[in-house]
Amino acid sequence: NAGVTQTPKFRILKIGQSMTLQCAQDMNHNYMYWYRQDPGMGLKLIYYSVGAGITDKGEVPNGYNVSRSTTEDFPLRLELAAPSQTSVYFCASSYSTGANTGELFFGEGSRLTVL
Amino acid sequence: AQTVTQSQPEMSVQDAETVTLSCTYDTSENNYYLFWYKQPPSRQMILVIRQEAYKQQNATENRFSVNFQKAAKSFSLKISDSQLGDTAMYFCAFINGGATNKLIFGTGTLLAVQP
Repeated sequence: NAGVTQTPKFRILKIGQSMTLQCAQDMNHNYMYWYRQDPGMGLKLIYYSVGAGITDKGEVPNGYNVSRSTTEDFPLRLELAAPSQTSVYFCASSYSTGANTGELFFGEGSRLTVL
Repeated sequence: AQTVTQSQPEMSVQDAETVTLSCTYDTSENNYYLFWYKQPPSRQMILVIRQEAYKQQNATENRFSVNFQKAAKSFSLKISDSQLGDTAMYFCAFINGGATNKLIFGTGTLLAVQP
């Protein structure tokens, strides 16, 4: 199993450009998440999904959009990049709640810089 | 709102020594879970240890153990016999029981194990 795969690993964007961060998992997890990690701020939840066709906002959704057309894929779109979106982005997935509650499987991260 | 606080931005420990990382949280819920996640340099975040709030016994995973003080809302991580490979950022995290696995993370503690 590859686990959670994120692409690209690094990207530099100009202000106002758009891009999509890709995320795929091969563990047949229902739940998927996008977090951003800023220095000294921990991880903040951007969006999450509990299954194909279902998405919901997290703590910091402004400036982002997501879709979940399949169980495997959960892309994150930045429509009009702003310097405040410079961050490291992590995709994660998990089983449903129960015995596996809280065990998230993370990708390696995507470092995005907006200039 | 639930919050997770890690008051130690950085810590250092000698190889083979023991170190304790602190975490406090705030919630009005009675059913919840607490976690410690490890993020090694340039590597994926992984789950280290989990504690269910309804369990009085402290969780243990090999060299990693927790001191869960429910009344004080404290959840510290003890690493015994520290190894160079333990060098990482450690995040304390919280989730309500029954929630859609939406973890709330602390700001992290950067642990350096010195040879």
